Amino acid sequence: SQQGEEDPQALSIQEGENATMNCSYKTSINNLQWYRQNSGRGLVHLILIRSNEREKHSGRLRVTLDTSKKSSSLLITASRAADTASYFCATVNTGANSKLTFGKGITLSVRP
Amino acid sequence: DGGITQSPKYLFRKEGQNVTLSCEQNLNHDAMYWYRQDPGQGLRLIYYSQIVNDFQKGDIAEGYSVSREKKESFPLTVTSAQKNPTAFYLCASRSTSGGFPGELFFGEGSRLTVL
Repeated sequence: SQQGEEDPQALSIQEGENATMNCSYKTSINNLQWYRQNSGRGLVHLILIRSNEREKHSGRLRVTLDTSKKSSSLLITASRAADTASYFCATVNTGANSKLTFGKGITLSVRP
Repeated sequence: DGGITQSPKYLFRKEGQNVTLSCEQNLNHDAMYWYRQDPGQGLRLIYYSQIVNDFQKGDIAEGYSVSREKKESFPLTVTSAQKNPTAFYLCASRSTSGGFPGELFFGEGSRLTVL
């Protein structure tokens, strides 16, 4: 079963622009995580935000969480061609037994 | 360097054959996971293990088997009972200290193709 649903499914932007990706989920969560995957590679963890947090920053990444709307957004500022990848949100439900549930991912293309 | 090693990276199998994918980690993590990734479907959990000699089925365990005899190793066998095994398989691990799941560390994946 997949909890998180990312939006849009694909995003194409020019280098230097900001990229905003959204994730919605259905049940109460303990935390929400964002991952990045380059084509044919494993996933790399980007950032984790807990249910009692509203915003977190890491370098050019900004993540927000709105538990009342059951949604999160990932903002990548001043995008680079090297940011081209797929991005996934993953949720940990309250009471979950050590499982993360991933969405289907967003394909981001950054044009040089 | 600490990390997760999956092998082989590419594997071809004839129908009716069992194959075993290797996953080894030197991060001293208690929990390990196997995910399957198909185009447009995201990651789906096959099996996971929180401690040696114990493992649980995930969402799509049918046709797969695992073992966890050592903390460092969590091999996945794709059996002939798996109807559509062609996919990209990802192994991951995490530390269990601190309560609820934190970040997962992933291997580079194994791509299985059934001929």
